[in-house]
Amino acid sequence: GAGVSQSPSNKVTEKGKDVELRCDPISGHTALYWYRQSLGQGLEFLIYFQGNSAPDKSGLPSDRFSAERTGGSVSTLTIQRTQQEDSAVYLCASSRYRGETEQFFGPGTRLTVL
Amino acid sequence: SQQGEEDPQALSIQEGENATMNCSYKTSINNLQWYRQNSGRGLVHLILIRSNEREKHSGRLRVTLDTSKKSSSLLITASRAADTASYFCATPAGGTSYGKLTFGQGTILTVHP
Repeated sequence: GAGVSQSPSNKVTEKGKDVELRCDPISGHTALYWYRQSLGQGLEFLIYFQGNSAPDKSGLPSDRFSAERTGGSVSTLTIQRTQQEDSAVYLCASSRYRGETEQFFGPGTRLTVL
Repeated sequence: SQQGEEDPQALSIQEGENATMNCSYKTSINNLQWYRQNSGRGLVHLILIRSNEREKHSGRLRVTLDTSKKSSSLLITASRAADTASYFCATPAGGTSYGKLTFGQGTILTVHP
């Protein structure tokens, strides 16, 4: 596609449920990033992929959060046993290669945990 | 913690006026970027300035960088209602050789028609 896409655009879930958020990066982009944006914390880095590997997971807030990337393309961010503090907009970004500075962002997934 | 701190937090101006936003950062950087966000969703890259540059222009945008003061400014000239958005500065996270970014808290710009 022409840009980074994310699905779903909105997700409402109950506390304790698991959710999966999907990111389709720009074709050919080898680097992929997940960020989270919430009112209290601003924009926070979560995890970085280079190809299918995640050399930097330092931003994942707890072991309830995990992510994978397959085929050097699609990435899925999974949150297990969601909590209300997980409510945020989850943004995915990609760039052409490691070290490339301009990142292209998707529209985000707004997660609401009731 | 946020690398960049921006001010003002909010700015309200009339169409045609200029808007200036400032960003300060803490650690040494090799570049600084500005992004725009509409309606709390995806960010759009506006401009990148490298540490060896002092000023850069792109259309109605002018960015300056003062590495001695660890600060940058974004000037939007002849603003339009469509410029209404949140603006963020972003810097590469310290010690990384890839594009992991640290964002400021952002400036909310409102341009009144």
